[in-house]
Amino acid sequence: TQLLEQSPQFLSIQEGENLTVYCNSSSVFSSLQWYRQEPGEGPVLLVTVVTGGEVKKLKRLTFQFGDARKDSSLHITAAQTGDTGLYLCAGVFSGSARQLTFGSGTQLTVLP
Amino acid sequence: EPEVTQTPSHQVTQMGQEVILRCVPISNHLYFYWYRQILGQKVEFLVSFYNNEISEKSEIFDDQFSVERPDGSNFTLKIRSTKLEDSAMYFCASSPQTNQPQHFGDGTRLSIL
Repeated sequence: TQLLEQSPQFLSIQEGENLTVYCNSSSVFSSLQWYRQEPGEGPVLLVTVVTGGEVKKLKRLTFQFGDARKDSSLHITAAQTGDTGLYLCAGVFSGSARQLTFGSGTQLTVLP
Repeated sequence: EPEVTQTPSHQVTQMGQEVILRCVPISNHLYFYWYRQILGQKVEFLVSFYNNEISEKSEIFDDQFSVERPDGSNFTLKIRSTKLEDSAMYFCASSPQTNQPQHFGDGTRLSIL
């Protein structure tokens, strides 16, 4: 069984602070997605990373894919209360054509 | 922006009954998926579907489960004889191609009594 570990599980910070969420596996991903999920809704795609070492930016969010394609991180700069939510990483492992393996999620709370 | 739509949003069913969950994938997408999320647990892959047949399935997707694309727009998940442990959120997803990101619907909450 290929596992994807996400940390931390919970994160509570003050508005304006920076934070990083991590996603790790012992297996290689062919691609990795980051989603955000609100209560009662489905995961909404934020970004996809495919190439080892890739960095993508989405406003104050920076996504990195490890050189070996076994890990990824999400960094939020100057967090805002609107960033509060559940962040999920989900990867497609090499050799598994289509199924996404999800992490357990990081519940982020940004306090005013 | 096009989206995946799922109906119903909440389904309550007696144990042992059949249930059909419905999804309308994004119109130009070719690959379709079902996932489930038991309360407090991770989202888990059930099945992927392409060209009118199952392309991958997990151990969860046993003989009680089936999928179908009955027409050009709908994609359904049927559970033949529901069990208490089938209670979960069921998410449908679709992607344009196999190596492109999957887009999710808002899910159907299935409650088995």
